[in-house]
Amino acid sequence: DADVTQTPRNRITKTGKRIMLECSQTKGHDRMYWYRQDPGLGLQLIYYSFDVKDINKGEISDGYSVSRQAQAKFSLSLESAIPNQTALYFCATSDKSAGELFFGEGSRLTVL
Amino acid sequence: QKEVEQNSGPLSVPEGAIASLNCTYSDRVSQSFFWYRQYSGKSPELIMSIYSNGDKEDGRFTAQLNKASQYVSLLIRDSQPSDSATYLCAVNSGGSNYKLTFGKGTLLTVNP
Repeated sequence: DADVTQTPRNRITKTGKRIMLECSQTKGHDRMYWYRQDPGLGLQLIYYSFDVKDINKGEISDGYSVSRQAQAKFSLSLESAIPNQTALYFCATSDKSAGELFFGEGSRLTVL
Repeated sequence: QKEVEQNSGPLSVPEGAIASLNCTYSDRVSQSFFWYRQYSGKSPELIMSIYSNGDKEDGRFTAQLNKASQYVSLLIRDSQPSDSATYLCAVNSGGSNYKLTFGKGTLLTVNP
């Protein structure tokens, strides 16, 4: 099983719908991240959390919210999805000392 | 705004050749540098990390860092078709507020 698991892996939804992407990890890392990837734009940081009580906005947080339910779980919500939120979303974790990011397999979201 | 720039691709090399991937960064206090490989539709995976000026070798991969020039590169020797992927440069400025800034990536194609 993957150390960083994202659900769902693929989702098609309609404009205005609420969507939640979930991430869970078994690596025991404190730090968790949500990134968005669009063709030609690289990875952009949406939100990050350094522990259960810590939530921080990234570069492109507008239209998104997150919840850190436990050390191992970090979910991303789109309260009212719009077509330009169609993208590939990655959850990642890191150990505070090592710095390396470990990525989940990605969640492909299409908003019609 | 911290920026990470990679040489625009796509880069095409013949099998067995050396592939050279380049990256520059704007934040002079950056301390940690990473190269990720991402196959199409897959998640990024770390292939090299470098923290000090100079070269770091791991198998066919060599990372080179020059902090004075704010430049980091990745050389792939004896390139194989399986090296065909997008390579992402990532930079961290250190400190307790750890998060990576990614370049947009360079698509490498190794032709048999």
